[in-house]
Amino acid sequence: SAVISQKPSRDICQRGTSLTIQCQVDSQVTMMFWYRQQPGQSLTLIATANQGSEATYESGFVIDKFPISRPNLTFSTLTVSNMSPEDSSIYLCSVEDAVEGRFFGPGTRLTVL
Amino acid sequence: GQNIDQPTEMTATEGAIVQINCTYQTSGFNGLFWYQQHAGEAPTFLSYNVLDGLEEKGRFSSFLSRSKGYSYLLLKELQMKDSASYLCAVERGGGNKLTFGTGTQLKVEL
Repeated sequence: SAVISQKPSRDICQRGTSLTIQCQVDSQVTMMFWYRQQPGQSLTLIATANQGSEATYESGFVIDKFPISRPNLTFSTLTVSNMSPEDSSIYLCSVEDAVEGRFFGPGTRLTVL
Repeated sequence: GQNIDQPTEMTATEGAIVQINCTYQTSGFNGLFWYQQHAGEAPTFLSYNVLDGLEEKGRFSSFLSRSKGYSYLLLKELQMKDSASYLCAVERGGGNKLTFGTGTQLKVEL
């Protein structure tokens, strides 16, 4: 299975600032996704990161708040902009590899004060 | 829209068998995933069902009935380390998006 790393693993940020989370995969993958998992809840899809084009956002998520880059088939970034305490969550990168497995990175635990 | 239902909590005994059910209502169904998630960790892939029937993988098996909108995860020979949250996720649409259920918190006791 694909090996996925995320940076940072955790961060504590001030209200109004922005944080960029990186996701690196050890092999080329077609599909990359970003999820959010709020405390005590299940995972919610934020967007699909498309290589070479704009990300596809789910209902309730917008590009101005969560800009995403996907410059190649092994890397993506998610920025959480103008943060508020409600953005405190775990942010997870996910990829689909060639054998129909869907795997998750270790997550970035974000706390906004 | 999508609706995915799982029991919130289950308790079982070490060495026993437990079945975790998942029912779903969704359009554009492609397949169904099961994940295991220990507290503070990322979800770990367990299984993916596309066709009706049972898929067995060691102590874990997963069943799907597309016509009934129903799946279950079967865990045999339970171990203490199986205590975790089990997430059912439906894959839908051309974009291979996953929609997750709320998860079932399984507690394995002696």
